[in-house]
Amino acid sequence: EVQLVESGGGLVQPGGSLRLSCAVSGFTFRSYWMHWVRQAPGQGLVWVSRIHTDGSLINYADSVKGRFTISRDNAKNTLYLQMNSLRAEDTAVYYCVAGLGDFWGQGTLVTVSS
Amino acid sequence: DVVVTQSPLSLPVTLGQPASISCRSSQSLVHSDGNTYLNWFQQRPGQSPRRLIYRISNRDSGVPDRFSGSGSGTDFTLKISRVEAEDVGIYYCMQATRWPQTFGQGTKVEIK
Repeated sequence: EVQLVESGGGLVQPGGSLRLSCAVSGFTFRSYWMHWVRQAPGQGLVWVSRIHTDGSLINYADSVKGRFTISRDNAKNTLYLQMNSLRAEDTAVYYCVAGLGDFWGQGTLVTVSS
Repeated sequence: DVVVTQSPLSLPVTLGQPASISCRSSQSLVHSDGNTYLNWFQQRPGQSPRRLIYRISNRDSGVPDRFSGSGSGTDFTLKISRVEAEDVGIYYCMQATRWPQTFGQGTKVEIK
């Protein structure tokens, strides 16, 4: 059974940091590009970042460039998103996604508020 | 960025009747490798999105055959041949031909 389990979300003050994790099982993690996609409350889906199978290529949306860092550990089947300098507009459910939407996690809620 | 525009944004449908959602992109979605990376997703209330269709017209495993995708270039369509109660939710098209990958605004399908 394919599983992507995100963790690390929560309430953080503006300017703060969080690290999201996504533990994967049920498919060959190292063979997939991995992505983070977010969804603000009541809003649509927005791609945040992606990372190549071996970490050699990384892209970010302009809105998070310089503040967020994506990484992966293929030995641990885990994807990460380090989020720094958080803003209110970063408030969203963050989904871990494999491939071009092949598999999705259940999401983890990040709330940035004072 | 490639802008992806869906219509309609709201789609009330009678059970058993067909439904159709349009998706248009601001640029051709034909990749240099010859493929067109246009996917469709369903998000049921309170759930994560799941992919229904990839590369215009290929159904994912377990997706009922009442769902079908078509189109080319910049114009694409998702059709549901006979809407069932479990089809209620928001449907998104997404282009993955160019970074950043972009989604349409979503189309809310509800039962009349």
